[in-house]
Amino acid sequence: QSVLTQPPSVSGAPGQRVTISCTGSSSNIGAGYDVHWYQQLPGTAPKLLIYGNSNRPSGVPDRFSGSKSGTSASLAITGLQAEDEADYYCQSYDSSLSAFYVFGTGTKVTVL
Amino acid sequence: EVQLVESGGVVVQPGGSLRLSCAASGFTFDDYTMHWVRQAPGKGLEWVSLISWDGGSTYYADSVKGRFTISRDNSKNSLYLQMNSLRTEDTALYYCAKDSHRYYGSGSYYPHWGQGTLVTVSS
Repeated sequence: QSVLTQPPSVSGAPGQRVTISCTGSSSNIGAGYDVHWYQQLPGTAPKLLIYGNSNRPSGVPDRFSGSKSGTSASLAITGLQAEDEADYYCQSYDSSLSAFYVFGTGTKVTVL
Repeated sequence: EVQLVESGGVVVQPGGSLRLSCAASGFTFDDYTMHWVRQAPGKGLEWVSLISWDGGSTYYADSVKGRFTISRDNSKNSLYLQMNSLRTEDTALYYCAKDSHRYYGSGSYYPHWGQGTLVTVSS
C-alpha cells in the first residue's frame, strides 16, 4: 500500500556509513514535496530524525543526514553505532486522491 | 514537554465499534493540526486521518473513509477517533501525532508521537 519504496534492510559494521533510499513518484517526492525521516527503535514510537529533506531537529546527532533529488531521497548514517539499529521510515505528501501523507515501506538497519 | 497519551484500544469483533482518545499536554493544543497514524503488527506506518486546529477540516485515508471519524475537543485538549464497521485489517497500533504546523499542508511532518494504543479486530 506504501507509495514510497525503501530497501527492506541495510547493514554495516560499527563506524561504517550506510545509506537508505526512498523512491517515490511524480505525485509525491517528484512533485517537489519535502521528505522527512523517522527512526523507530524496537517497541517504541517513531521519532523524527530529519525534516524538510535535510534538517535535523535539536538533539539528533549530525551523523544523520538527508538529501533529495528528483523522485528519490536518501538518509545517510555515518559512523554507525550499535544504538542506530532500528527501523527507518521516510514520509512525504502525496497529491493523488488516496492519501494526503505517505510513508515509505521501512528499512531495518542492522549493526553487524 | 509535549506529551500525547492514547487510550481506548481493546479487542473487538469484526463489524464492531470503538473510540480511541488522545490526551495532549505540554503545548497549546488548539494551535496545531492533529493526526492519527497506525501500524499493523510487524508492518509499516500508515497515515489514517487528520483534523485541523479548529476541527473545521477533516481528511481520511481511503482505507478508512466512511467508517472512521476524527474529532477533537480543544477545551479538553483531547483528540478522538471513532471507529465503526471494524475489519480484521484495521488491527494495528494507533498513534496520535502532532503536526509540525497549525495549518496542515504539503510540508507537514510529525515532531511528536504518543506511545500508541493497540486495536485488535478478531472474532
